[in-house]
Amino acid sequence: DAKTTQPTSMDCAEGRAANLPCNHSTISGNEYVYWYRQIHSQGPQYIIHGLKNNETNEMASLIITEDRKSSTLILPHATLRDTAVYYCIAISYNTDKLIFGTGTRLQVFP
Amino acid sequence: NAGVTQTPKFRVLKTGQSMTLLCAQDMNHEYMYWYRQDPGMGLRLIHYSVGEGTTAKGEVPDGYNVSRLKKQNFLLGLESAAPSQTSVYFCASSYPTGGMDEKLFFGSGTQLSVL
Repeated sequence: DAKTTQPTSMDCAEGRAANLPCNHSTISGNEYVYWYRQIHSQGPQYIIHGLKNNETNEMASLIITEDRKSSTLILPHATLRDTAVYYCIAISYNTDKLIFGTGTRLQVFP
Repeated sequence: NAGVTQTPKFRVLKTGQSMTLLCAQDMNHEYMYWYRQDPGMGLRLIHYSVGEGTTAKGEVPDGYNVSRLKKQNFLLGLESAAPSQTSVYFCASSYPTGGMDEKLFFGSGTQLSVL
């Protein structure tokens, strides 16, 4: 499974777009990129996933580079409630043990 | 649907005591996972199961045992608790789709303190 690398922390002003990068340079063709977030001490929550096309849902947008070696999660209008740890992981047909890594701690400030 | 339910939510143990954490899911998921999360740290995989009757080791399996006797339940056992096992434990489940729609559903966690 592809290893993902994320910055340790990021800040974002409330109302602005938060752009969270993830590097997955060893990703294989059948691995999907998934994003989760964990607010305070709650269980992680699914946000969005994609293979090679950009994706958008009610929570966020996912931009995957053409070579698929990196992706960016975009929260278009960050709110204080978006303050959380964001995890990027890769999943494929033969993925069984899901390793999360340390994620990016996003702090949204007023 | 209740989703993923973990019991208990809080527990305090003395060093050397044993206990079992229960995870139950009502979504007919094949895969189930146990993670631990220490303060300020990310999630670390303890054990996982890809189906009833099967279990496998994750990143940090030492000191823990698991069982998946029924598809809907995944038990995590501590035979002799140690202070280093003080942590928040999360259970998760998913249905294998080759990655196409393999969303993980998490429980609300169990806060375990070992004195």
